[in-house]
Amino acid sequence: NAGVTQTPKFQVLKTGQSMTLQCAQDMNHEYMSWYRQDPGMGLRLIHYSVGAGITDQGEVPNGYNVSRSTTEDFPLRLLSAAPSQTSVYFCASRSGEVAKNIQYFGAGTRLSVL
Amino acid sequence: AQTVTQSQPEMSVQEAETVTLSCTYDTSESDYYLFWYKQPPSRQMILVIRQEAYKQQNATENRFSVNFQKAAKSFSLKISDSQLGDAAMYFCAYREISSGSARQLTFGSGTQLTVLP
Repeated sequence: NAGVTQTPKFQVLKTGQSMTLQCAQDMNHEYMSWYRQDPGMGLRLIHYSVGAGITDQGEVPNGYNVSRSTTEDFPLRLLSAAPSQTSVYFCASRSGEVAKNIQYFGAGTRLSVL
Repeated sequence: AQTVTQSQPEMSVQEAETVTLSCTYDTSESDYYLFWYKQPPSRQMILVIRQEAYKQQNATENRFSVNFQKAAKSFSLKISDSQLGDAAMYFCAYREISSGSARQLTFGSGTQLTVLP
């Protein structure tokens, strides 16, 4: 019962460094997404995917790249980290079937950019 | 674009008492889902309750119930017999239903609930 697994749980970067946040799900869900959570602003959608090979932008996509080569994995890449990207990041997945509409979340990654 | 508003940044309730968290939303859609998520200090997002807009009956899950007013675009969460473990940040969220929709969740800014012993 792994569900949605995010790694790492914590990360500190220097401005300009790059890194990839990993996300994997074992529920064979079609839809996967990345959110960021900032104080007083709730969760905001960064990017999402409706299946392998298909991705789209959310509300705050700038500075982030994604790809979906398999159903299970949906990594989020920061090419050149900026202090404004300090946040908590959540990966989520759900089935594409309307009747199975519950979104499952990973435990989050706390990222600090110095 | 859809928006979700939680006007109460912080709330407190005495243990065993009842508290209601407010949520309003803006949409032009007729079919959608509404959710309440709980986020304890562990950061894990936990689904508390969900409501389909086409259902007139308010959803209930044990001590948690909602008051869904579609015309007013209001979706409040009532927690009865509050327990210390209910202390958390609560988020209201919205998502369209439409067939094949890839829409993701739109969240409110959250309400921090404190339960006083």
